[in-house]
Amino acid sequence: AQSVTQLGSHVSVSEGALVLLRCNYSSSVPPYLFWYVQYPNQGLQLLLKYTSAATLVKGINGFEAEFKKSETSFHLTKPSAHMSDAAEYFCAVSDRGKLSFGAGTTVTVRA
Amino acid sequence: DTGVSQNPRHKITKRGQNVTFRCDPISEHNRLYWYRQTLGQGPEFLTYFQNEAQLEKSRLLSDRFSAERPKGSFSTLEIQRTEQGDSAMYLCASSQGQGIAKNIQYFGAGTRLSVL
Repeated sequence: AQSVTQLGSHVSVSEGALVLLRCNYSSSVPPYLFWYVQYPNQGLQLLLKYTSAATLVKGINGFEAEFKKSETSFHLTKPSAHMSDAAEYFCAVSDRGKLSFGAGTTVTVRA
Repeated sequence: DTGVSQNPRHKITKRGQNVTFRCDPISEHNRLYWYRQTLGQGPEFLTYFQNEAQLEKSRLLSDRFSAERPKGSFSTLEIQRTEQGDSAMYLCASSQGQGIAKNIQYFGAGTRLSVL
């Protein structure tokens, strides 16, 4: 079965600083990978997806992620954090259509 | 396009009672998924439908859980004889169908269940 592991359950950054959220995948076939964001008491919103077309994927709200097969990683970054980025972020892999999620990383942004 | 709608948003019940949740997918999305999310964890897959056919069920879905999608439109998830361990957020998602381009899943806001 395909799975993802998110390293770090909490990340705290200063406003304007780089945001880096780590995700490693385990898959026996080329994976389809996703990053979702969840704000309090809301559902999940898709940030970006990797479908093997390009290794650097740009998403919404200034986020991007790079697929590195050699490292089995799909880390999420944003050059400059904004207060509105405070949320929980989930990495996910598509496993025969259904999604398998990591445990999530909570981001707090300090003013 | 009004998005995926879930009702109720919150449900408080006593142990042993039955509860039912409803999900209305994005119109013309033929796949519908149910996930469960407990505090501090990512969502876990429960089951999914292709139109009205239930194609897969997780081992997490015990005999007390049943899901239906009559006529391939809205879906209901029923939990019988609720237990405190059933307390969680129940998320519904829908997608257009097979293939990675069509299987982008859009999530509802969820139903938070608290079993006292």
